[in-house]
Amino acid sequence: AQSVTQLDSQVPVFEEAPVELRCNYSSSVSVYLFWYVQYPNQGLQLLLKYLSGSTLVKGINGFEAEFNKSQTSFHLRKPSVHISDTAEYFCAVSEDNQGGKLIFGQGTELSVKP
Amino acid sequence: KAGVTQTPRYLIKTRGQQVTLSCSPISGHRSVSWYQQTPGQGLQFLFEYFSETQRNKGNFPGRFSGRQFSNSRSEMNVSTLELGDSALYLCASSSRTSSYNEQFFGPGTRLTVL
Repeated sequence: AQSVTQLDSQVPVFEEAPVELRCNYSSSVSVYLFWYVQYPNQGLQLLLKYLSGSTLVKGINGFEAEFNKSQTSFHLRKPSVHISDTAEYFCAVSEDNQGGKLIFGQGTELSVKP
Repeated sequence: KAGVTQTPRYLIKTRGQQVTLSCSPISGHRSVSWYQQTPGQGLQFLFEYFSETQRNKGNFPGRFSGRQFSNSRSEMNVSTLELGDSALYLCASSSRTSSYNEQFFGPGTRLTVL
């Protein structure tokens, strides 16, 4: 069965510092991988996705992620964070032909301090 | 293009009552998925509807049901409400024209059960 593990529930970081949010998944079949961001009292916004091809994926707001099949990981990175990046981040997986069903990790709360 | 809309945004009910939540997808999208978000369980997939048919279902009791209309609008119903049903209910729409299609999320309905 699919599962997603986000290794850090909270990540505090200072403004302009780099950040990495970690995500591992398990699945017996090919998967699609996603990172979503949720700001307070809002829905989810897609940051980036890996469907196939290049393992380094670039998304919105300067975020990028690298798919590592051997380590079943999909870590999210940003070289320099801003106060406005403070939000909750969710890693998610979808199996091929299960496009309407996303399995989410527990979320990582990113807190950017001045 | 208008985004995914959910009504109502906030709802307060008492135990034992039933509730109906509504989701209007992005124009042209035929798939609607529902998710429950709670602090303890995180984001969990409820079900997906495509062309008025349920295509996928998560592990929720039969008190949770849904339907989709010919205009792709979807409703979710929860009967005999329990305190544990208090959650943010998110719906997402997609075009579902291939094995993967991006899901666009609405702002959610915050349900409080007293």
